[in-house]
Amino acid sequence: AQTVTQSQPEMSVQEAETVTLSCTYDTSENNYYLFWYKQPPSRQMILVIRQEAYKQQNATENRFSVNFQKAAKSFSLKISDSQLGDTAMYFCAFMKTRFGNEKLTFGTGTRLTIIP
Amino acid sequence: EAQVTQNPRYLITVTGKKLTVTCSQNMNHEYMSWYRQDPGLGLRQIYYSMNVEVTDKGDVPEGYKVSRKEKRNFPLILESPSPNQTSLYFCASSLGTGTYGYTFGSGTRLTVV
Repeated sequence: AQTVTQSQPEMSVQEAETVTLSCTYDTSENNYYLFWYKQPPSRQMILVIRQEAYKQQNATENRFSVNFQKAAKSFSLKISDSQLGDTAMYFCAFMKTRFGNEKLTFGTGTRLTIIP
Repeated sequence: EAQVTQNPRYLITVTGKKLTVTCSQNMNHEYMSWYRQDPGLGLRQIYYSMNVEVTDKGDVPEGYKVSRKEKRNFPLILESPSPNQTSLYFCASSLGTGTYGYTFGSGTRLTVV
């Protein structure tokens, strides 16, 4: 079974600073997907960024980028030039690519607060 | 607009009173799934469906039922709710390739007293 660990329950940074959220996972699969979801106070789950395990290049979406280290089973999220609207709970999630249950296995989340 | 619609957004009920949370998607997705979110536990899968009439248990299925009679709808049924089912529930749908992950509904906050 897969597990996802987010070791930082809470973090806070000043507006415009850069922050990195950690995520590690455990799996015996070779091909899989990794995701970061954002959950603002509205509680909507919003996909921030995704990474395919067979791609070595780290994914980037505007101010959001990941550091994917497959051998270390690490998938951290970097938010550059943080904004007040980035205040949210962030969840790291894993999905294996085999046909069948496309279950997302989530970490316990990191609550990020951007301070004005 | 492509979306997953869940209703109701909030629900307070009493122990043992059957309830249904509806979920509908307009993206022609094959995969649909229900998750519950609890503090300190993240989100956990309750049930999933790979297509019409194809459903199976996730990690925490006890006390829940689902059905998939139409591709767009995937209701969650609690036949005899108990206080330990107080939680935030999400319906989600996917194309089925993992390419884009899941699109989530806006959540249902359920309180069972």
